[in-house]
Amino acid sequence: DAGITQSPRHKVTETGTPVTLRCHQTENHRYMYWYRQDPGHGLRLIHYSYGVKDTDKGEVSDGYSVSRSKTEDFLLTLESATSSQTSVYFCAISETTDTQYFGPGTRLTVL
Amino acid sequence: GQNIDQPTEMTATEGAIVQINCTYQTSGFNGLFWYQQHAGEAPTFLSYNVLDGLEEKGRFSSFLSRSKGYSYLLLKELQMKDSASYLCAVRGRTGANNLFFGTGTRLTVIP
Repeated sequence: DAGITQSPRHKVTETGTPVTLRCHQTENHRYMYWYRQDPGHGLRLIHYSYGVKDTDKGEVSDGYSVSRSKTEDFLLTLESATSSQTSVYFCAISETTDTQYFGPGTRLTVL
Repeated sequence: GQNIDQPTEMTATEGAIVQINCTYQTSGFNGLFWYQQHAGEAPTFLSYNVLDGLEEKGRFSSFLSRSKGYSYLLLKELQMKDSASYLCAVRGRTGANNLFFGTGTRLTVIP
């Protein structure tokens, strides 16, 4: 299995607070991704990175920002959390544009 | 736009064979992936098809017809541990690494 960890694994927060989720990899893969998974929607891409300091938006990027200052870390920030951002967040990595490998996920609840 | 369809739920008997279908309409096509996801866990990679035909990997096989926008995942000799959701994902434009996921098929294997 690819070495991917996510932190925290569970978080409960209140509407309007900032939240940062961390994805850490030990595989030295170039590409990193953030997805959210909601019932009835499947996995949807939020943002992705194709190198240090190189990021781009996915299909559901509104309300989220990302940063990648090191190859191994990819941070997802919710500047002001809303209840619609309650979801399970998965990080994924890939070396090339082929297979993506997923982290264990973070369950976020916004009250 | 992207449209990926899979049946929501399927039930099959232990030891039997089950076929999970996926149809897609996407702007561009650059590969189709199948992932397995047990409840509360991360998706794990099963197979990848980019050319027409059948790819076999042990008990699992995946088929692709690009002209029909159609794929299926075939699971043989079903085991109880195969009870999981199976996610179909399509990569769109060449060079882009965005995956578009269907909502998944929840397979229940019964004794």
